[in-house]
Amino acid sequence: GAGVSQSPSNKVTEKGKDVELRCDPISGHTALYWYRQSLGQGLEFLIYFQGNSAPDKSGLPSDRFSAERTGGSVSTLTIQRTQQEDSAVYLCASSPQSGLNYEQYFGPGTRLTVT
Amino acid sequence: KNEVEQSPQNLTAQEGEFITINCSYSVGISALHWLQQHPGGGIVSLFMLSSGKKKHGRLIATINIQEKHSSLHITASHPRDSAVYICAVEPGTASKLTFGTGTRLQVTL
Repeated sequence: GAGVSQSPSNKVTEKGKDVELRCDPISGHTALYWYRQSLGQGLEFLIYFQGNSAPDKSGLPSDRFSAERTGGSVSTLTIQRTQQEDSAVYLCASSPQSGLNYEQYFGPGTRLTVT
Repeated sequence: KNEVEQSPQNLTAQEGEFITINCSYSVGISALHWLQQHPGGGIVSLFMLSSGKKKHGRLIATINIQEKHSSLHITASHPRDSAVYICAVEPGTASKLTFGTGTRLQVTL
């Protein structure tokens, strides 16, 4: 079946503009995660959705970052007033549900470049 | 000190060699993941384990919960194994992953 898809694959934006990144998880997966991979810094957790529960936003680096998950499926990560330090690959992952013994399936990522 | 430490950071091996990548962590976990990332490519989950040992083809992953340590072994390495291998842990009951910095493996002919 189809894996996790993300769009766009690449995004170049000017500093100060808002961007929206989209994630389509695997159908039926109730858990959805956003991560960021910055050059030379490795992967870091941003936000996590599980079913209808309140999302875990503990990894969002500032209030310029927000995410929604509509209808328990598609998720959008929004970055307002982008800064150069926001340049990174943004990865989405999904799993059948959270907790023990569930692998996370990663999307191909969106490479964001802020000029 | 990072919660998840990997060693070595870089590893070069000749085809056919046995490879070991180590991961140590300092927090209580519910599961540990090994991930593979090819250059320019996406991330693929290799293993998720909470105890003991798992094997898939030429790959073996082990974990010692008491020592807070896991190893990823690759037997009969091949150039196509060249990638970054990332250890990640699920702390406690939270599902979000905390990642190591990765081990860059290059296997040469």
